[in-house]
Amino acid sequence: EAQVTQNPRYLITVTGKKLTVTCSQNMNHEYMSWYRQDPGLGLRQIYYSMNVEVTDKGDVPEGYKVSRKEKRNFPLILESPSPNQTSLYFCASSSTRAIYEQYFGPGTRLTVT
Amino acid sequence: AQTVTQSQPEMSVQEAETVTLSCTYDTSESDYYLFWYKQPPSRQMILVIRQEAYKQQNATENRFSVNFQKAAKSFSLKISDSQLGDAAMYFCAYRSLNAGNMLTFGGGTRLMVKP
Repeated sequence: EAQVTQNPRYLITVTGKKLTVTCSQNMNHEYMSWYRQDPGLGLRQIYYSMNVEVTDKGDVPEGYKVSRKEKRNFPLILESPSPNQTSLYFCASSSTRAIYEQYFGPGTRLTVT
Repeated sequence: AQTVTQSQPEMSVQEAETVTLSCTYDTSESDYYLFWYKQPPSRQMILVIRQEAYKQQNATENRFSVNFQKAAKSFSLKISDSQLGDAAMYFCAYRSLNAGNMLTFGGGTRLMVKP
């Protein structure tokens, strides 16, 4: 089954404790991205990657890091989480041949206290 | 930068009736894609319908159709014969052809369906 998976689905952590949210897709997609969803703001892009070892900033990259060492994986790293990073996070992927459609993961609910 | 605006935070519709969700966007580009996504309580983002800006014909997917007014930069979603399962958050999104695959989302509209 074609899918995007994220782990963990729920995470509660404390300020300053480094964390990683994993994202993996099994569709051999070139493009992957991370979004955060906040009430009234829709989804805003954090980082995206056009292919392995190619990443770029989205609209709200501050406080986040990403890496793309393998085509299927695109982890999101919060080196020193802060309460304003409490949000719902989505990973998405798409093929550059079918650029009109992005497949979204199930979301990760992160709470930073 | 592009912006997408959904002016209706909440909408409600009676089961079997028709409802229209509004979306406007701002862009200086001539070619782009527009989407409507549905987010049910499960939080999964589900693509409902898409529209290529170069196509004049409005997209239709079963009970879902759009009214795309390019000059007015308007992209509304019409849901016919509303069903209880249509209750969800709906997001309008814009995709530039010149900015990778980045989607710019509106703030969302919560649709409630009354039995």
